[in-house]
Amino acid sequence: EVQLVESGGNLVQPGGSLRLSCAASGFTFTNYWMHWLRQAPGKGLEWVSRINTDGTSTTYADSVKGRFTISRDNAKNTLYLQMNSLRVEDTAVYYCTRSGSLEWLFYRHWGQGTLVTVSS
Amino acid sequence: DIVMTQSPDSLAVSLGERATINCKSSQSVLYSSQNKNYLAWYQQKPGQPPKLLIYWASTRESGVPDRFSGSGSGTDFTLTISSLQAEDVAVYYCQQHYSTPPITFGQGTRLEIK
Repeated sequence: EVQLVESGGNLVQPGGSLRLSCAASGFTFTNYWMHWLRQAPGKGLEWVSRINTDGTSTTYADSVKGRFTISRDNAKNTLYLQMNSLRVEDTAVYYCTRSGSLEWLFYRHWGQGTLVTVSS
Repeated sequence: DIVMTQSPDSLAVSLGERATINCKSSQSVLYSSQNKNYLAWYQQKPGQPPKLLIYWASTRESGVPDRFSGSGSGTDFTLTISSLQAEDVAVYYCQQHYSTPPITFGQGTRLEIK
């Protein structure tokens, strides 16, 4: 069974940093692109970032570019999101997801999410 | 960026009746060489992550009831629930993956029971 378990969400002050983790199991981690998506309270879904299978290619939404860094440890089957210079508008539930590439770039499996709250 | 616009924003349908949700993309998401539309639909219930219903505009995900169907091509797409059940109350999202980054979603359509 595919499992994606996010952790690391917390209350942080504006300008602060946080690192999210996503522990993956039940599938061959190295075969999949991995993504972070987020959902602000009462709002819709927003794609945040994507990393390819070996970690050599990453992409980001404009809203987080230069502040967030996605990475993966294939030996530990774990995905990360380093979030710096956090803003109030980064407050959201952050989801870890996996996808194939190109035509398979949709999301069959999601974690339960981890809540990040940015507030003073 | 491709902008996805759903209509309506909210919808109330009687049990057993048909529900129709529309999604329009600002440019075509049809990958002509494969004749596939890079368009997916998700269902999200309160307190839960989204669930994939439909991909490639009309391919139903395994385990999804056949009352859910997707149609459309190019820029205009529809999710249809043929006979609404109580458990279908949720917010529904469309997503394009034709032109990335970024992957983009519609704003969501809230479906309720009338």
